[in-house]
Amino acid sequence: SQTIHQWPATLVQPVGSPLSLECTVEGTSNPNLYWYRQAAGRGLQLLFYSVGIGQISSEVPQNLSASRPQDRQFILSSKKLLLSDSGFYLCAWTSGSAETQYFGPGTRLTVL
Amino acid sequence: AQSVTQLGSHVSVSEGALVLLRCNYSSSVPPYLFWYVQYPNQGLQLLLKYTSAATLVKGINGFEAEFKKSETSFHLTKPSAHMSDAAEYFCAVSLKDSGYSTLTFGKGTMLLVSP
Repeated sequence: SQTIHQWPATLVQPVGSPLSLECTVEGTSNPNLYWYRQAAGRGLQLLFYSVGIGQISSEVPQNLSASRPQDRQFILSSKKLLLSDSGFYLCAWTSGSAETQYFGPGTRLTVL
Repeated sequence: AQSVTQLGSHVSVSEGALVLLRCNYSSSVPPYLFWYVQYPNQGLQLLLKYTSAATLVKGINGFEAEFKKSETSFHLTKPSAHMSDAAEYFCAVSLKDSGYSTLTFGKGTMLLVSP
């Protein structure tokens, strides 16, 4: 069966510090991968998606970036965090052309 | 473009009462529709999905939803609420484009269950 992992689970970072969040999927090959942010009272916002290694599409311009160095690994990064980057970050995957997205456990990021 | 509207940011029910969470969508093509549940500080868990087969969809934990094209609705119901059902529920619509899915979420409905 497929599983999706995210780490860290919780992160507290100062403004201006760098960020790296990791998402990995097990039990499947060539998944489509997604990063969402969930801010208080604002629902889920799609940040990036990837249909293959090195292929990243950005949905919202911001100071975040994403990379996919391996087939089942998706990384969310920032060079300098802003207060507004605080939120709950969720990674999701789909199997190829399937329509159902499955979500990871999330990372709670607090920027102080 | 597609969109989802969830009526009511909070819904309160008593344990044992009917649960009804409302979702209306707009889509230019036949949609795929989903309900997800989120418990505090956890990811989203798929409850059920409609993918153009049967209009009445049964999901996990006793939930079901009915797709009504004429009303552009996909309301979530459960005959009898349990305390463990207290969580936030998200309706989502998906279109397939160029081989990948895109989900548009509603803003969520928090279900509160009282004893």
